[in-house]
Amino acid sequence: QKEVEQNSGPLSVPEGAIASLNCTYSDRGSQSFFWYRQYSGKSPELIMFIYSNGDKEDGRFTAQLNKASQYVSLLIRDSQPSDSATYLCAVIFRAAGNKLTFGGGTRVLVKP
Amino acid sequence: NAGVTQTPKFQVLKTGQSMTLQCAQDMNHNSMYWYRQDPGMGLRLIYYSASEGTTDKGEVPNGYNVSRLNKREFSLRLESAAPSQTSVYFCASSENSRGKNIQYFGAGTRLSVL
Repeated sequence: QKEVEQNSGPLSVPEGAIASLNCTYSDRGSQSFFWYRQYSGKSPELIMFIYSNGDKEDGRFTAQLNKASQYVSLLIRDSQPSDSATYLCAVIFRAAGNKLTFGGGTRVLVKP
Repeated sequence: NAGVTQTPKFQVLKTGQSMTLQCAQDMNHNSMYWYRQDPGMGLRLIYYSASEGTTDKGEVPNGYNVSRLNKREFSLRLESAAPSQTSVYFCASSENSRGKNIQYFGAGTRLSVL
């Protein structure tokens, strides 16, 4: 069973602090990793994607990938109340074509 | 540019009724997907279509059928709805670049089966 695991939260973060979200996956051969943000009652929207080991930064967001340890993380710097949402990790497993497997999501609450 | 459009947005069915969820994309994407989302379960793939004329089962296909009508449209049919199919359904599309596959989602259909 190929799996993507996330802590369901809620992860409570003070405004202005760094939110750190983690995601582990079961298939060492996975190549592509995505972070989606989903506001309550809305559809998922892509925040970041990362394909290579290391860090990738986009504005206040940084994705970190460690294929040897099979985890991918998302850092949100200078967290804002508008960052309060559920963050979904998704992985394309080896031999899965282009199908995404999603984790259950981490709920983040940014408190003013 | 509408992106991915789903209809209807809300639907209430009685057990045993049938219905079709419609999805259309205007991004000229090759691949389209149907997911369901239940509380705490993330998104689970029901069916997908890698390209026009092809469809394949995903993780939870039982009780559903799909039709890739053309490159733009991908419909999901419930032949005999069951309470276990109460969920939020999302359609998505992607360009299907190998190994990259950035998916874009519609607004969702909230379905209740009584």
